[in-house]
Amino acid sequence: RKEVEQDPGPFNVPEGATVAFNCTYSNSASQSFFWYRQDCRKEPKLLMSVYSSGNEDGRFTAQLNRASQYISLLIRDSKLSDSATYLCVVNMYNAGGTSYGKLTFGQGTILTVHP
Amino acid sequence: GAGVSQSPSNKVTEKGKDVELRCDPISGHTALYWYRQSLGQGLEFLIYFQGNSAPDKSGLPSDRFSAERTGGSVSTLTIQRTQQEDSAVYLCASSPRRLENTGELFFGEGSRLTVL
Repeated sequence: RKEVEQDPGPFNVPEGATVAFNCTYSNSASQSFFWYRQDCRKEPKLLMSVYSSGNEDGRFTAQLNRASQYISLLIRDSKLSDSATYLCVVNMYNAGGTSYGKLTFGQGTILTVHP
Repeated sequence: GAGVSQSPSNKVTEKGKDVELRCDPISGHTALYWYRQSLGQGLEFLIYFQGNSAPDKSGLPSDRFSAERTGGSVSTLTIQRTQQEDSAVYLCASSPRRLENTGELFFGEGSRLTVL
């Protein structure tokens, strides 16, 4: 089983739609979670962190369910410029509570927003 | 520029040749990471440095791969006797501190390696 799994999509949605991406992770000791965005043929960039209580940044909402080891990203009122690959990212910790010091990336979910 | 700089941006080589990929991190960033991304795939962790030491080399695919970092700054990833399966985009990233707090890696634009 992969350490971080995502539905690769692609998701094709019209402008203005609401779309949600899901991600599961295997390491229950994981402590930190993030969503990165990668435009075509570009480098990944941090989109937002994911907090236990859920957090919002404009049209983007991230949620974490530790019991189910599940992370989600919701995009409301999709824009053409939201078209990209969205990467679920986990900072994994060992049983002793120490970070492995690296980020583990999912394979990404491709989103295409069309007019 | 102030970002992570990688060179070469594109490299085409013949199977069996050695290649060196270079990464110049953001000034002052103590942590440096190498990942690779194959077509349509996610990022595969290779190695990371904290200062000049490499606490985790677990992602290096084989002993043909090695990396070093000198002076806490520039890093070189070397692939010996390249194989076609080594073809990928090699991404370098740096971070100003350990990742627990921010989770933000600053990536370079990558070195695209094609092994013929």
